[in-house]
Amino acid sequence: ETGVTQTPRHLVMGMTNKKSLKCEQHLGHNAMYWYKQSAKKPLELMFVYSLEERVENNSVPSRFSPECPNSSHLFLHLHTLQPEDSALYLCASSQTLQGNAGNTIYFGEGSWLTVV
Amino acid sequence: QKEVEQNSGPLSVPEGAIASLNCTYSDRGSQSFFWYRQYSGKSPELIMFIYSNGDKEDGRFTAQLNKASQYVSLLIRDSQPSDSATYLCALSSSNTGKLIFGQGTTLQVKP
Repeated sequence: ETGVTQTPRHLVMGMTNKKSLKCEQHLGHNAMYWYKQSAKKPLELMFVYSLEERVENNSVPSRFSPECPNSSHLFLHLHTLQPEDSALYLCASSQTLQGNAGNTIYFGEGSWLTVV
Repeated sequence: QKEVEQNSGPLSVPEGAIASLNCTYSDRGSQSFFWYRQYSGKSPELIMFIYSNGDKEDGRFTAQLNKASQYVSLLIRDSQPSDSATYLCALSSSNTGKLIFGQGTTLQVKP
């Protein structure tokens, strides 16, 4: 248990569906992230939020839409996805923005997404 | 050149042996380096971080950093089957501060 909870753990959706992934952190952190992990590829940073403000969007297609209503919750809204979007989507949080040696990033268990 | 490069493996070692996992990187300005362990179907968890040249030991794990040669390694002594996982190397970008991950090395420890 890392203090970062993701739901659902598994999701199968059609290409015309709209669904959302939810993340909640109980650590009092100020920064939250969405990562994508595909087979045989490095973790890809998608979005970064600091104090509920989006600070980074790494050229992610608009069919992925993040939302951060408060510092404890982060959503990833999914719409008209493609089969190649099937992957493990990981939410993470850290006390402040990532990168410093003592600023550990904690990952959630991930949401396995399959687009059919 | 990939920013963070790891051999995907699998690296297979017998139980009790030393497992050596290596990582090279291209950003000379990087200051902070991290090793994460990811069990199959689970999320990555931080094992160690290192930011000074040399060795850093924590139990059976030793991280080694050589900034001149741009590599960082993780040694696991007395390997156990429970160490079987994918090990992700990451660094903090000198430009953005964000973490950049390698693709990971799969370690198999055989009883």
